[in-house]
Amino acid sequence: NAGVTQTPKFRILKIGQSMTLQCTQDMNHNYMYWYRQDPGMGLKLIYYSVGAGITDKGEVPNGYNVSRSTTEDFPLRLELAAPSQTSVYFCASSSDRTQPQHFGDGTRLSIL
Amino acid sequence: QKEVEQNSGPLSVPEGAIASLNCTYSDRGSQSFFWYRQYSGKSPELIMFIYSNGDKEDGRFTAQLNKASQYVSLLIRDSQPSDSATYLCAVNTGGFKTIFGAGTRLFVKA
Repeated sequence: NAGVTQTPKFRILKIGQSMTLQCTQDMNHNYMYWYRQDPGMGLKLIYYSVGAGITDKGEVPNGYNVSRSTTEDFPLRLELAAPSQTSVYFCASSSDRTQPQHFGDGTRLSIL
Repeated sequence: QKEVEQNSGPLSVPEGAIASLNCTYSDRGSQSFFWYRQYSGKSPELIMFIYSNGDKEDGRFTAQLNKASQYVSLLIRDSQPSDSATYLCAVNTGGFKTIFGAGTRLFVKA
């Protein structure tokens, strides 16, 4: 009963480095989302996907890229990391756009 | 005007009291409404969801939706210290995106 699994849980990057945040779900959900949450703030949508091969930008997509080659996996790529990308990143999935979203445990990312 | 607004709090209530959390939204076409609880350092977890006007009860939790006035609320009866958390209101307008409020911090005093 894994649900949504994110790796890694913590990561420190240097400015200009790149990395991929992994997200996988075992609920056969078509909809998947990436959010970032800054301290004391709500969730900001970075990218979302409505199915394999289909992705679209959210509210704050700059500096990020995504792909969705399978129903299960939705990785988030950071290119040329900047201090402004220091945040907690959550991946979520849902069976339909109007249904509740299930969240992973998050990745705490610091860029120094 | 923010799309989903919540009072940031903190809202402090004594143990055993009713905690009332409110949320307003701007899009009249909104169709789905969610309340998530988020403990410090943890991920959001779903508490309640509601789609129709009126009340929906689940144990100690009641969600109330008033589409005409564009607000949704969450009542927590018999509040416990373990209810101390940030409560996020989320609204789906029928599109692919769900908009989250910044959250209300609730503190239940033992």
